[in-house]
Amino acid sequence: AQSVAQPEDQVNVAEGNPLTVKCTYSVSGNPYLFWYVQYPNRGLQFLLKYITGDNLVKGSYGFEAEFNKSQTSFHLKKPSALVSDSALYFCAVRDGAGNMLTFGGGTRLMVKP
Amino acid sequence: DAGVTQSPTHLIKTRGQQVTLRCSPKSGHDTVSWYQQALGQGPQFIFQYYEEEERQRGNFPDRFSGHQFPNYSSELNVNALLLGDSALYLCASGTGYKNIQYFGAGTRLSVL
Repeated sequence: AQSVAQPEDQVNVAEGNPLTVKCTYSVSGNPYLFWYVQYPNRGLQFLLKYITGDNLVKGSYGFEAEFNKSQTSFHLKKPSALVSDSALYFCAVRDGAGNMLTFGGGTRLMVKP
Repeated sequence: DAGVTQSPTHLIKTRGQQVTLRCSPKSGHDTVSWYQQALGQGPQFIFQYYEEEERQRGNFPDRFSGHQFPNYSSELNVNALLLGDSALYLCASGTGYKNIQYFGAGTRLSVL
């Protein structure tokens, strides 16, 4: 069975500082990895995905994620945080054969001015 | 181009009742998946429909059923509602299993 762990319930960062939101995964076969963001009373908005290729994936709104196969991690990063980045972030994994996304529990990002 | 649309946005039911939630996929998408997001948790996969058939199912009881119509829209039905069914129900659409799933804003179901 596939699983995703987001070890931090909340990450606090000052505006302008770099941010990292951590994600580790477990899946059989090659992983398909995703990051989504959820704003209050909204659905999930796609940020970026890793299917194959370069380990550093660039996505929307200046976000990027680093895939590390040996550590089974897919951490979300941004060089300079904005107050508007404050939201709930979800990491998800899908295996190569199945269709379902398995999500982590989410990490709340708080960016303070 | 409309994204994934869900209706209704909010719903209040009592225990034992039945509910139907509706989803229209993004234009050009043929696959619809349903997820349940309990308060403070990540979404959990209920099932996925493609070509009007249930293709994969998560760990949900048979009280949860669905349907996909020829125009690719979908319904989620929940029978014999329990208090624990209170959650945000999210619909996602896409094309193929490698591609991105796009989510609607969800239906907030409250069971009293």
